[in-house]
Amino acid sequence: DAGVIQSPRHEVTEMGQEVTLRCKPISGHNSLFWYRQTMMRGLELLIYFNNNVPIDDSGMPEDRFSAKMPNASFSTLKIQPSEPRDSAVYFCASSLGTQGRTEAFFGQGTRLTVV
Amino acid sequence: GQQVMQIPQYQHVQEGEDFTTYCNSSTTLSNIQWYKQRPGGHPVFLIQLVKSGEVKKQKRLTFQFGEAKKNSSLHITATQTTDVGTYFCAGRDAGGTSYGKLTFGQGTILTVHP
Repeated sequence: DAGVIQSPRHEVTEMGQEVTLRCKPISGHNSLFWYRQTMMRGLELLIYFNNNVPIDDSGMPEDRFSAKMPNASFSTLKIQPSEPRDSAVYFCASSLGTQGRTEAFFGQGTRLTVV
Repeated sequence: GQQVMQIPQYQHVQEGEDFTTYCNSSTTLSNIQWYKQRPGGHPVFLIQLVKSGEVKKQKRLTFQFGEAKKNSSLHITATQTTDVGTYFCAGRDAGGTSYGKLTFGQGTILTVHP
């Protein structure tokens, strides 16, 4: 298995532009997480899905952020319009989401820079 | 909502010294996990603790889960330069409807001087 795959790895965009981050979880995993990491705020949970359904989006900063999971093998995180303060590394992670071994497997991350 | 606090934020040690990071949750946890993130990398799972008072060891790493299942610690004996990185604890809330939600502590950044 290739693990969790995120794209793009790096994104530089101008303030006001729309940004879409993509994630392919590990096949068979039923939980998917989007995290944002910055030096100031650490690793923040933005939203998580279970069986493609958003369970908790309380970490989504504001209406400019939206996330979708149209099927078990794909998720997107969209920022529109983007702002410089959105600059961070965005991680997607997936897990089996059941009792027992429930560790999260992280993708390589997308480093977003908004100028 | 659930909060997971981790201390210290930074730790600088000489190679060969021991290192400990502590994790405290505002709510009772169903389990706690530990991750390591190398500089420029992504968090990688180390271990999961489930039982109250549980202690697990991985070579020079010792992990403990508190009796009340609200705190945990990671201890590294005789650090090596390969231990450099950020160590995160992550907890799953035992109650409510947030089952499955994994909340991370702020992490402890460990640097090891040779």
